[in-house]
Amino acid sequence: GAGVSQTPSNKVTEKGKYVELRCDPISGHTALYWYRQSLGQGPEFLIYFQGTGAADDSGLPNDRFFAVRPEGSVSTLKIQRTERGDSAVYLCASSVTGPSAGTEAFFGQGTRLTVV
Amino acid sequence: AQKVTQAQTEISVVEKEDVTLDCVYETRDTTYYLFWYKQPPSGELVFLIRRNSFDEQNEISGRYSWNFQKSTSSFNFTITASQVVDSAVYFCALRDVRNGNKLVFGAGTILRVKS
Repeated sequence: GAGVSQTPSNKVTEKGKYVELRCDPISGHTALYWYRQSLGQGPEFLIYFQGTGAADDSGLPNDRFFAVRPEGSVSTLKIQRTERGDSAVYLCASSVTGPSAGTEAFFGQGTRLTVV
Repeated sequence: AQKVTQAQTEISVVEKEDVTLDCVYETRDTTYYLFWYKQPPSGELVFLIRRNSFDEQNEISGRYSWNFQKSTSSFNFTITASQVVDSAVYFCALRDVRNGNKLVFGAGTILRVKS
């Protein structure tokens, strides 16, 4: 597609439920990033994929969070047993090469997750 | 540790005024990259500029200009003759080259341009 696409744009779920957030990166981009943005804050890194593998998952807050990218394109961020503190905007970004320091990442519009 | 500080939480200006958004960074690296992103109400982060640590030349792009000062670890962003469409949240970010090249963002500055 023309840009990074994230679905759904909004998700409301009950505490304790499981959710999946989808990211469709720009075609041909090998690197994919997930960030989380809480209200009034800058985005915080969660996980980075290079191809199909998670090259860096150091930002995942705990084992309730998991992400996959099975075919090296679309990625799904999965959150188990959601908590109210998980409420945030989840941003996905992709870039054209691997972790080349100068390459900018292109961001999607995010998924706003609300846990009630 | 990598850190980016945007001390201005919110700035309000009247259209056509010039406005400068401050960014101060901390890094132990000698090679690093700095970025500015714009986040309009739609939520998407829009890339504005990338600057590497070896290039201290200031840059101008239309009404936008950036002042990179290594001596003060600052990378400030100026909008000249601001317009209502410039209203957004602006983020400064530092690429953490020691840790997977992920971006470390500041908390952002909300810019409100009134007509």
